Amino acid sequence: GDSVTQMEGPVTLSEEACLTINCTYTATGYPSLFWYVQYPGEGLQLLLKATKADDKGSNKGFEATYRKETTSFHLEKGSVQVSDSAVYFCALSDKAAGNKLTFGGGTRVLVKP
Amino acid sequence: SAVISQKPSRDICQRGTSLTIQCQVDSQVTMMFWYRQQPGQSLTLIATANQGSEATYESGFVIDKFPISRPNLTFSTLTVSNMSPEDSSIYLCSANGGNQETQYFGPGTRLLVL
Repeated sequence: GDSVTQMEGPVTLSEEACLTINCTYTATGYPSLFWYVQYPGEGLQLLLKATKADDKGSNKGFEATYRKETTSFHLEKGSVQVSDSAVYFCALSDKAAGNKLTFGGGTRVLVKP
Repeated sequence: SAVISQKPSRDICQRGTSLTIQCQVDSQVTMMFWYRQQPGQSLTLIATANQGSEATYESGFVIDKFPISRPNLTFSTLTVSNMSPEDSSIYLCSANGGNQETQYFGPGTRLLVL
């Protein structure tokens, strides 16, 4: 079945540091890929998405590129802020599975001033 | 996109009781989903709720424990029945946006069972 693996946290960074969260996936079809963010005490918000190979999703300074050859969708940001402290979830959606989402385990990121 | 609200936002319940969580979407959607997020964990899909048919449950989840209603295209409820402390989790509902590709989530219901 489909699966998503992302790097374990917590990841602790200083403000203005670069952030990379690795995400790889296994899917039988041609999935869409997503990054969701969960701020403390809140629900999930869509951060960015990519629906086909080589697409780049971007939002709020975050980027991720759909790499079919390496089955990866790594999340990057060049300069993090304290307000980026959150849990980040990589997920895939497979139309063949009724668009159900499969989530990675989540990566907690803590940005210190 | 879809804007989703949930009620209650949080609750503290006694073991053996049941709690019904409501989920409202600001537009008509075909599919709604219910997830559980146990403390410090990722999200696990409980079931998919389509209007006009019975919910489809994932492995490990049963209708007697988590009955779901879907009376129309904008609303669904999830009941957590005969609760135990192990049911303490965040319960989230979601729905696909207009293009059916993207799921949007409600703010979650934080449940503590004593």
